[in-house]
Amino acid sequence: DTEVTQTPKHLVMGMTNKKSLKCEQHMGHRAMYWYKQKAKKPPELMFVYSYEKLSINESVPSRFSPECPNSSLLNLHLHALQPEDSALYLCASSHPGLAASIDSNEQFFGPGTRLTVL
Amino acid sequence: GENVEQHPSTLSVQEGDSAVIKCTYSDSASNYFPWYKQELGKRPQLIIDIRSNVGEKKDQRIAVTLNKTAKHFSLHITETQPEDSAVYFCAANPPRGTYKYIFGTGTRLKVLA
Repeated sequence: DTEVTQTPKHLVMGMTNKKSLKCEQHMGHRAMYWYKQKAKKPPELMFVYSYEKLSINESVPSRFSPECPNSSLLNLHLHALQPEDSALYLCASSHPGLAASIDSNEQFFGPGTRLTVL
Repeated sequence: GENVEQHPSTLSVQEGDSAVIKCTYSDSASNYFPWYKQELGKRPQLIIDIRSNVGEKKDQRIAVTLNKTAKHFSLHITETQPEDSAVYFCAANPPRGTYKYIFGTGTRLKVLA
């Protein structure tokens, strides 16, 4: 299995709602990422997990809360979002740089969740 | 920190012509440079990558060149086809032990039939 999957594909939520985005990979990757992408812009890194531990938080507001329950799953919990948080949320995975005997830093992206905050 | 500049922001070519997209990076320690293609509404997909110990890499109609001294790398697409129309992002990856890709701002390529 060489895919990263994400659910849901689309999500519409109000500013008072709580929702979660889910990401899954079965490639044995031990680094997983959340990106936010606005239209016509490159992906913007939010969080990185390495071996199920949070290793990078790019000063993301606390209304976004990541979770890595195990090496295959990554969640992003959403609460009290703002309309400007509407975007495509991409998950990605890769071999961690330090441990990779495979000489590959390639990040594999999921199809994304299109989030609209009303 | 690393910074990646990408040019041009838009590029229109006639079908069958070549397209070249250029990126410049700032951190000389960066050692991995992927190129992603993103079609409208879809995920970024890796099309080619190059490591700092290699000057050129080719895969059919796509090639990437790297000039470490000048700190720039370029994507070359030959014999362009309408299905090559997409947004292309370059990225630079600092050395092992870090996970951040620094993306360029993207190039919207239009191949005119």
